[in-house]
Amino acid sequence: QKEVEQDPGPLSVPEGAIVSLNCTYSNSAFQYFMWYRQYSRKGPELLMYTYSSGNKEDGRFTAQVDKSSKYISLFIRDSQPSDSATYLCAMRGGGSARQLTFGSGTQLTVLP
Amino acid sequence: NAGVMQNPRHLVRRRGQEARLRCSPMKGHSHVYWYRQLPEEGLKFMVYLQKENIIDESGMPKERFSAEFPKEGPSILRIQQVVRGDSAAYFCASSATGQEQFFGPGTRLTVL
Repeated sequence: QKEVEQDPGPLSVPEGAIVSLNCTYSNSAFQYFMWYRQYSRKGPELLMYTYSSGNKEDGRFTAQVDKSSKYISLFIRDSQPSDSATYLCAMRGGGSARQLTFGSGTQLTVLP
Repeated sequence: NAGVMQNPRHLVRRRGQEARLRCSPMKGHSHVYWYRQLPEEGLKFMVYLQKENIIDESGMPKERFSAEFPKEGPSILRIQQVVRGDSAAYFCASSATGQEQFFGPGTRLTVL
């Protein structure tokens, strides 16, 4: 079993829809949670960075972390065709741990 | 403010040759991380370095792979005697504080 599970999709939604992306994990030591966006043949771009449980909002993006369920989510409101990309969740432990463990990514297409 | 820079962007090597991948972190960043993305797989951590020190190399293959981050100049990921299985995208990330990691565009290595 992988430490981080992410539905690979593909996921297609119409423009303007609310998108929900999710990851589950098994390692209770994870304390920091991130979402990255990766366009085809580009490097991952950091979208959200959160610590422990709770919600964080940044523009059209909202990240949620539920450590009790080992479940994290990214919501995208008013989705745009330019949001079409692969979305990667990533996480790491606390203290001196720095290596990120990634999900396999969800491919999202927003149709105009 | 330039982002993380990686070169070359594409590298072709024949089996048995050496590959050298370079990473210049963002200005003011002293933490560097290398990740590998194999075809149809997620990003996997390889090594974490600070200036002149390897902090965590738990993800590095035991043979043929090495990394350095000298006092002056870019970080180098070196792969000796490349094999076809080394074909992948290699990403470098940098961080100012060891918290958020910002990724470069990657080097795509093809081994013939």
